[in-house]
Amino acid sequence: GAVVSQHPSWVICKSGTSVKIECRSLDFQATTMFWYRQFPKQSLMLMATSNEGSKATYEQGVEKDKFLINHASLTLSTLTVTSAHPEDSSFYICSARGLSGELFFGEGSRLTVL
Amino acid sequence: RKEVEQDPGPFNVPEGATVAFNCTYSNSASQSFFWYRQDCRKEPKLLMSVYSSGNEDGRFTAQLNRASQYISLLIRDSKLSDSATYLCVVIFNDYKLSFGAGTTVTVRA
Repeated sequence: GAVVSQHPSWVICKSGTSVKIECRSLDFQATTMFWYRQFPKQSLMLMATSNEGSKATYEQGVEKDKFLINHASLTLSTLTVTSAHPEDSSFYICSARGLSGELFFGEGSRLTVL
Repeated sequence: RKEVEQDPGPFNVPEGATVAFNCTYSNSASQSFFWYRQDCRKEPKLLMSVYSSGNEDGRFTAQLNRASQYISLLIRDSKLSDSATYLCVVIFNDYKLSFGAGTTVTVRA
């Protein structure tokens, strides 16, 4: 089946630094990818919809200048957490729609900001 | 009203029991429906798609009721390994989706 890969799986960074997370669709092209965040023991929260070749669509309450999304190709979307702070520590997950319409999720990236 | 709502549970059931739960959606134009399973600290994984005619995959049965705007998931003969959070995902079009907060199922020995 389709596979979506995320990198890195784990990242620890100092407060104030920026962290980039990559999401790749490995065997299919994805014009649309989705980015989520999940805090411990809470449900997934959709952050933004990433559209290839155009600006991302952010959900209400998500700062677009804080969470930069770039979808430069049909197989790659990146999420950059800029000037990360401890409250940004979370599990970030991406997903892409497969050829049959179902969503495939990346393995997730666990960010810890010290 | 949320676009997609699920009973958060938890549903605590003994091994071998049957457990069922629903997911309601508000947009009647919704196109596609899926059930995902999420284990603690892991990404959601596709459990099954939900077709208009209903579908079954082993011990799992999914149904769609468009008139009442809900989908359901039934797990028969529950196993300990079925313990997880089950998310329903509703896709409206290529660019918009919504999902429930998840239903937690705990199967006890």
